[in-house]
Amino acid sequence: AQSVTQLGSHVSVSEGALVLLRCNYSSSVPPYLFWYVQYPNQGLQLLLKYTTGATLVKGINGFEAEFKKSETSFHLTKPSAHMSDAAEYFCAVSEVGANSKLTFGKGITLSVRP
Amino acid sequence: GAGVSQSPSNKVTEKGKDVELRCDPISGHTALYWYRQSLGQGLEFLIYFQGNSAPDKSGLPSDRFSAERTGGSVSTLTIQRTQQEDSAVYLCASSSDSLEQYFGPGTRLTVT
Repeated sequence: AQSVTQLGSHVSVSEGALVLLRCNYSSSVPPYLFWYVQYPNQGLQLLLKYTTGATLVKGINGFEAEFKKSETSFHLTKPSAHMSDAAEYFCAVSEVGANSKLTFGKGITLSVRP
Repeated sequence: GAGVSQSPSNKVTEKGKDVELRCDPISGHTALYWYRQSLGQGLEFLIYFQGNSAPDKSGLPSDRFSAERTGGSVSTLTIQRTQQEDSAVYLCASSSDSLEQYFGPGTRLTVT
């Protein structure tokens, strides 16, 4: 079985500050890891994914995440927050070789202060 | 190109009525997923279709829920005898490689 933990439900940063959203996962087999963003009243948009290879992955809008197997983590970062980054962020895992269904964390709402 | 579309965008129904939610995946995508997003449970997997294989129904919460996919394209999620706890946003996603899933805007279901 797989699971995702996103601690906290809300993060607030100032515009221009570092964004760090934490994600820890549990999986019995090598995982695929994803970050999705959801803007109000919209569907989910993929920010970035880790499947194999390089553990530091870059995504859209300046976001990146690093897969750390020893820490079972996949934290999302962005060096400088922008007002348009305000949204809800979901970390998700699927298992290699399985039916690829996504198991999501509870999500974190990011607020950006001017 | 066109993304995943879902209809209706909003549905209000009375408790006990049946509802049908529709998903049009991206053309050529062989995999199709349904998820449910609710305040209490977050985002939950419901059902998965891949080509002509038998669907994975392991996430359906009760036998009141069913889904079909016709011709390997359009999918319909049916909820019979709706209950208030069925109120949620139902999201559909499709994929060509079972790695990157593209989500539709969702159907917001309210059961009164």
